[in-house]
Amino acid sequence: SQQGEEDPQALSIQEGENATMNCSYKTSINNLQWYRQNSGRGLVHLILIRSNEREKHSGRLRVTLDTSKKSSSLLITASRAADTASYFCALYNNNDMRFGAGTRLTVKP
Amino acid sequence: DAGVIQSPRHEVTEMGQEVTLRCKPISGHNSLFWYRQTMMRGLELLIYFNNNVPIDDSGMPEDRFSAKMPNASFSTLKIQPSEPRDSAVYFCASTEGTSGGRRGETQYFGPGTRLLVL
Repeated sequence: SQQGEEDPQALSIQEGENATMNCSYKTSINNLQWYRQNSGRGLVHLILIRSNEREKHSGRLRVTLDTSKKSSSLLITASRAADTASYFCALYNNNDMRFGAGTRLTVKP
Repeated sequence: DAGVIQSPRHEVTEMGQEVTLRCKPISGHNSLFWYRQTMMRGLELLIYFNNNVPIDDSGMPEDRFSAKMPNASFSTLKIQPSEPRDSAVYFCASTEGTSGGRRGETQYFGPGTRLLVL
């Protein structure tokens, strides 16, 4: 089984700035999802991108997938203090699914 | 729908005691997952069920852990006897499909049970 590796482990930015988080993996995937976890809460699904897709948008979120580099990125534009959370990528392939260790994002007001 | 419901939200117990965590998935969902989250190991999949049947329990750490799903609306995760290293947040999640999430269905997480074993 493989786990995504998020980078960076922690990110601190000012409100209004953009935040970019990356997820790298080693073997092929069917699709990849990004989840958010607020402190003390369960994970909440943000967006799914399939292996044949390169980019998806959802509101202020933009996810890209580069299967040749085996990496995905999550971009949050015009960040808000409420975006402060941990962000996880989840990898899906034919046989398994795993969550990465997450990126802790802090948005300062 | 109320979402995935877990109880208790917090549990403090002493080493050696039995701990039972409970989960009610979203009505109509066919797959249920139990996860454990710690700072050291991150989010680990313990076991998942499809249509109440355990499909993959390879993540269950040892025989002290057991999980059941007697019907479509209820599941338990039991630790007996509990040890301090079991301290973690335990999450339950459910999905609509029966592929165990392998087709990438969205997983809906409960609020978690924070377990502390002294």
